[in-house]
Amino acid sequence: EVQLVESGGGLVQRGGSLRLSCAASGFTFSRYSMNWVRQAPGKGLEYVSAISDNGDRTHYANSVKGRFTISRDNSKNTLWLQMGSLRAEDMALYYCARGYCRGGNCYAFFDYWGQGTLVTVSS
Amino acid sequence: SYELTQPPSVSVSPGQTARIICSGDELPKQYAFWYKQKPGQAPVLVIYKDTERPSGIPERFSGSTSGTIVTLTISGVQAEDEADYYCQTVDSSGSYAIFGGGTKLTVL
Repeated sequence: EVQLVESGGGLVQRGGSLRLSCAASGFTFSRYSMNWVRQAPGKGLEYVSAISDNGDRTHYANSVKGRFTISRDNSKNTLWLQMGSLRAEDMALYYCARGYCRGGNCYAFFDYWGQGTLVTVSS
Repeated sequence: SYELTQPPSVSVSPGQTARIICSGDELPKQYAFWYKQKPGQAPVLVIYKDTERPSGIPERFSGSTSGTIVTLTISGVQAEDEADYYCQTVDSSGSYAIFGGGTKLTVL
């Protein structure tokens, strides 16, 4: 069974930093692209960042570019999101999501999601 | 930047057919995907590549496309279908996801 378990969320001051983790199990982690998607309270889904299966390619939404860094360790089946210079608008539930990959090709949509970890930014 | 537009809400009686539309200028060139999200839960993929249904998703969920509009159709709506539904596509390079604003489906 595919499982994605996020952790690392919490209360942080504006301008501060936080590192989110996503522990993956139930599938061959190294064969899948991975992503972070967030959802502000009462709002819709927003793509944040993506990383290729071997970690050599990353992509960021314009809203977080230069402030967030996505990374992964395939030997530990773990995905991270290092968040810096946090703003009030970064406050959200952050989901780890597996990219859909078949036959060695990965696509920018998501077939499994974790339950999310909440980031609260205080002033 | 590229946007997807969804109606904020759709209401339907049990047993009827619900249609949720999503419009975007790039939809003729890129696939669309649909997610269902119930309160307090993570999103679940219900349609991918415009019309494909993942295993485990009931047959009453279907997707279609026509030009700049994609449609999620739920036939024979049940109370458990009440949720927020999000359409999604990808940018022109296929590199990242773009979400619609979501539609709240209410089962009367």
